[in-house]
Amino acid sequence: DVKVTQSSRYLVKRTGEKVFLECVQDMDHENMFWYRQDPGLGLRLIYFSYDVKMKEKGDIPEGYSVSREKKERFSLILESASTNQTSMYLCASRTGATNEKLFFGSGTQLSVL
Amino acid sequence: LAKTTQPISMDSYEGQEVNITCSHNNIATNDYITWYQQFPSQGPRFIIQGYKTKVTNEVASLFIPADRKSSTLSLPRVSLSDTAVYYCLVGFYSSASKIIFGSGTRLSIRP
Repeated sequence: DVKVTQSSRYLVKRTGEKVFLECVQDMDHENMFWYRQDPGLGLRLIYFSYDVKMKEKGDIPEGYSVSREKKERFSLILESASTNQTSMYLCASRTGATNEKLFFGSGTQLSVL
Repeated sequence: LAKTTQPISMDSYEGQEVNITCSHNNIATNDYITWYQQFPSQGPRFIIQGYKTKVTNEVASLFIPADRKSSTLSLPRVSLSDTAVYYCLVGFYSSASKIIFGSGTRLSIRP
């Protein structure tokens, strides 16, 4: 089975801190994604990467950056965390094949105080 | 990307068949229809995908009419454990595609 591992299940940070959320997949997938999920808003795409060192903005990239130096790892960076970034963050990966399904991690619940 | 519309929430009872319909009037010729299921405190998981007519697997069936402007996810004989949010996605997803989720349908199953 594909495994998508997010480094922390729960994280508490202070306003202004730089925050790193890490995601690792073990299936040599080309594509990786970061979403955030807030009550009533479904999943919103922050960034995705279709290959190593390649990234594309999603619908809500403001306040975030990403890094994909190795194929298996996709990091989401909050340069200066703010309270409105308190959310559930979900990482996903898939092969690059057409219409292939996404595999999700369990999520990181981030609280910014 | 085709815009999708699905009910915000649905309720049903154990043992019933549940049908969740998704409208996608501007579906493109190459688009596929994909459904994901999300349990509380978990990431979504893929349940079924189809292009036309009917697709069935061990979890669900997907019915797609000839005009493809809508689709129906059918869950046979639901149990409490089918309580989840169900997302309908419509698109042709290449290697460099954004994959956008809507708000989904929150299905609640009662005893």
